[in-house]
Amino acid sequence: NAGVTQTPKFRVLKTGQSMTLLCAQDMNHEYMYWYRQDPGMGLRLIHYSVGEGTTAKGEVPDGYNVSRLKKQNFLLGLESAAPSQTSVYFCASSYGGQGADEQFFGPGTRLTVL
Amino acid sequence: GEDVEQSLFLSVREGDSSVINCTYTDSSSTYLYWYKQEPGAGLQLLTYIFSNMDMKQDQRLTVLLNKKDKHLSLRIADTQTGDSAIYFCAESRNRDDKIIFGKGTRLHILP
Repeated sequence: NAGVTQTPKFRVLKTGQSMTLLCAQDMNHEYMYWYRQDPGMGLRLIHYSVGEGTTAKGEVPDGYNVSRLKKQNFLLGLESAAPSQTSVYFCASSYGGQGADEQFFGPGTRLTVL
Repeated sequence: GEDVEQSLFLSVREGDSSVINCTYTDSSSTYLYWYKQEPGAGLQLLTYIFSNMDMKQDQRLTVLLNKKDKHLSLRIADTQTGDSAIYFCAESRNRDDKIIFGKGTRLHILP
């Protein structure tokens, strides 16, 4: 099992550009999450999904959109990147609800917006 | 609102015990977790404890929970260089609630 994989690992964008981060899991997990990690801020939940075809807002959803067309994939989109979105983005998945089961994390995507 | 606080840095000599402390504000917290993040990697669950427990031990790891004071600690016995990482305390109210993470404690091992 590959677990949770993220593509790409690194990306540099100019302000106003768009991009999509891809997360894939092969553990048949129902729940998937997107977090951002900033120095001194810990992890903050952007969006999450409780199953195929569903999405929900987390703590800091503004400026991001997500889609879960297939159970194994969770996409995070930035329509018009801003320097404030420079961060490390982590995808995670879990079998059950957020508080019930271990969340398995991907290796992260380091995004820089100039 | 819900909040999880932990100190940002801890330095410990190799072979000594490390104690990482965490406080949380939500008295309804049911699940309390410790996650470990090694350099360049995602978070990995180390251990967790339910709010009806006082202590949980797993090899070199001991988790202590003081529910009255809303204080959680992680003790790592015989600290090794491989324990160098950021440790995140986290909590959630129930099975379907979001997990609230602390800012993480960076553990530095001194030779």
